[in-house]
Amino acid sequence: KNEVEQSPQNLTAQEGEFITINCSYSVGISALHWLQQHPGGGIVSLFMLSSGKKKHGRLIATINIQEKHSSLHITASHPRDSAVYICAVVRGLNDMRFGAGTRLTVKP
Amino acid sequence: NAGVTQTPKFQVLKTGQSMTLQCAQDMNHEYMSWYRQDPGMGLRLIHYSVGAGITDQGEVPNGYNVSRSTTEDFPLRLLSAAPSQTSVYFCASSSQGDQPQHFGDGTRLSIL
Repeated sequence: KNEVEQSPQNLTAQEGEFITINCSYSVGISALHWLQQHPGGGIVSLFMLSSGKKKHGRLIATINIQEKHSSLHITASHPRDSAVYICAVVRGLNDMRFGAGTRLTVKP
Repeated sequence: NAGVTQTPKFQVLKTGQSMTLQCAQDMNHEYMSWYRQDPGMGLRLIHYSVGAGITDQGEVPNGYNVSRSTTEDFPLRLLSAAPSQTSVYFCASSSQGDQPQHFGDGTRLSIL
């Protein structure tokens, strides 16, 4: 069993919909990252969380340490949000483990 | 600022050849890492470093060697390339392990 599980694997939405991507993990962590990988392959860090909730524009990330669960929400989704979203956890100093990613397609 | 620079962007090798993937960052980050990304497998950590002179193994270290002689550079060496090492390789850096990571653009490596 993977240490980091994401759901769903694939997600198709209509423009304007509210989107939720989930991440569950089974190990102790010092932090959790949400990453975005563009269709061209580049990877961008969206959030780093160790507790609570963070918001940046239309993106919101939450983490529940006790339940070992994090969610990434996108409000008012747009076709430019189409990408692969990756959850990653940090064990120890710099040992990162990744989920398989969620491929999001937003249709106009 | 250039951020994290990886070279080359593309490389084709024959089985048994050796090569070094270069990674350099200009942000004075202590933490650097190498990952490989394979279809259906997601990203996996190969090796990481928490400062000059300090390296450690990640999830899939076999067949790879690293060293960290300076803060800026973190090269990844393939000792004897195998077809199983065909992948896209990403280098990343951060100021600390629990800070946002900055990724390079990746190196697409094919081994025949």
